[in-house]
Amino acid sequence: EAQVTQNPRYLITVTGKKLTVTCSQNMNHEYMSWYRQDPGLGLRQIYYSMNVEVTDKGDVPEGYKVSRKEKRNFPLILESPSPNQTSLYFCASSPSSGGATGELFFGEGSRLTVL
Amino acid sequence: GQSLEQPSEVTAVEGAIVQINCTYQTSGFYGLSWYQQHDGGAPTFLSYNALDGLEETGRFSSFLSRSDSYGYLLLQELQMKDSASYFCAVPNTGGFKTIFGAGTRLFVKA
Repeated sequence: EAQVTQNPRYLITVTGKKLTVTCSQNMNHEYMSWYRQDPGLGLRQIYYSMNVEVTDKGDVPEGYKVSRKEKRNFPLILESPSPNQTSLYFCASSPSSGGATGELFFGEGSRLTVL
Repeated sequence: GQSLEQPSEVTAVEGAIVQINCTYQTSGFYGLSWYQQHDGGAPTFLSYNALDGLEETGRFSSFLSRSDSYGYLLLQELQMKDSASYFCAVPNTGGFKTIFGAGTRLFVKA
């Protein structure tokens, strides 16, 4: 089954404790991206990757890091989480950049709480 | 700046037709997408308009007018299961960034 898988789905952590949210897709997609969703703000892009070893900032990259060492994986790293990073996070992928088809395939989401 | 505007809430009755509007302002335009998101779920793709006009997919249709920087999602024969949030989105900056609207919450009443 074609899917985007995120882990963990739920996480409660404390300020400053490094964490990684994993994202994996099995569709051989070139493009992957991370979004955060907060009430009333819709989805805001954190980072995206056009292909292996090619990443760039989205609109809200502060406090986050990413890497793309393999085509299928695109982990989101919070080196020193803070309470304002409490949010619902979505990973998404697409065969090419979103401009080509407009279609993004989303993972089920990871709800992160930073105390 | 780059932005999308859509109504925050819409309420309609089962069996009716509802239209969710979206106006956008972007630097470079490739097309307008629509996504549906149920509570606790992930956004799922509904449609994409790259050219002006109406695209129909079953009970859902999407319209785009590039000259007006405007589009809408039309939902016909509303069902209770259509109660969800609907987001318009545009890719820009070479198509690598996707900007989403804040979402329209649709309530379908019996």
